[in-house]
Amino acid sequence: GAVVSQHPSWVICKSGTSVKIECRSLDFQATTMFWYRQFPKQSLMLMATSNEGSKATYEQGVEKDKFLINHASLTLSTLTVTSAHPEDSSFYICSACRLAGGPSCEQFFGPGTRLTVL
Amino acid sequence: AQSVAQPEDQVNVAEGNPLTVKCTYSVSGNPYLFWYVQYPNRGLQFLLKYITGDNLVKGSYGFEAEFNKSQTSFHLKKPSALVSDSALYFCAVRGGMNSGGGADGLTFGKGTHLIIQP
Repeated sequence: GAVVSQHPSWVICKSGTSVKIECRSLDFQATTMFWYRQFPKQSLMLMATSNEGSKATYEQGVEKDKFLINHASLTLSTLTVTSAHPEDSSFYICSACRLAGGPSCEQFFGPGTRLTVL
Repeated sequence: AQSVAQPEDQVNVAEGNPLTVKCTYSVSGNPYLFWYVQYPNRGLQFLLKYITGDNLVKGSYGFEAEFNKSQTSFHLKKPSALVSDSALYFCAVRGGMNSGGGADGLTFGKGTHLIIQP
């Protein structure tokens, strides 16, 4: 199967610091990865689309200077939460897109990263 | 803009009984529809998808879903529920028309807690 990992699985940081979250596709190459955010007992909200070798595309309302995305290789995308504040505390989930030759890629999701900002 | 509605926060079913988790959608063009399941502290797991073809789609763990274009619905079903089916279920949609070569982020419903009682 297709496996996507995230690191770390959880992180606690002080307000004002930056935190980097990694998303890796372990057994396939992903030219496109997605970053989602999930609040407690709520749905996943798409934050941005990460394309290998190019700038990320952010959804409306997501601050690109706060949530820096780097997709440096076909198996790794990183999300850096800069100058984190308590309201950034959330569950961040990535997915990697595996194209199957059809009109729709299949997204494989990572296990998520729980960020708590004190 | 596309949207997904899961009208039930929670569905309770006795083990062995059939279950239905409801989902309706709104999207431009032909929809790509997905169901995912999320267990506590674990990532999203893909259950099934509808892209084109037969309206009845069969997926993992005995689940199936029926695409109904006139009612814009994609309800998840299983003939006989198991206690182990208890989890959080998400319906998701992606618009069929895109300029991104097949890789677009998903719009998720808010999720439905499925509780199977022994």
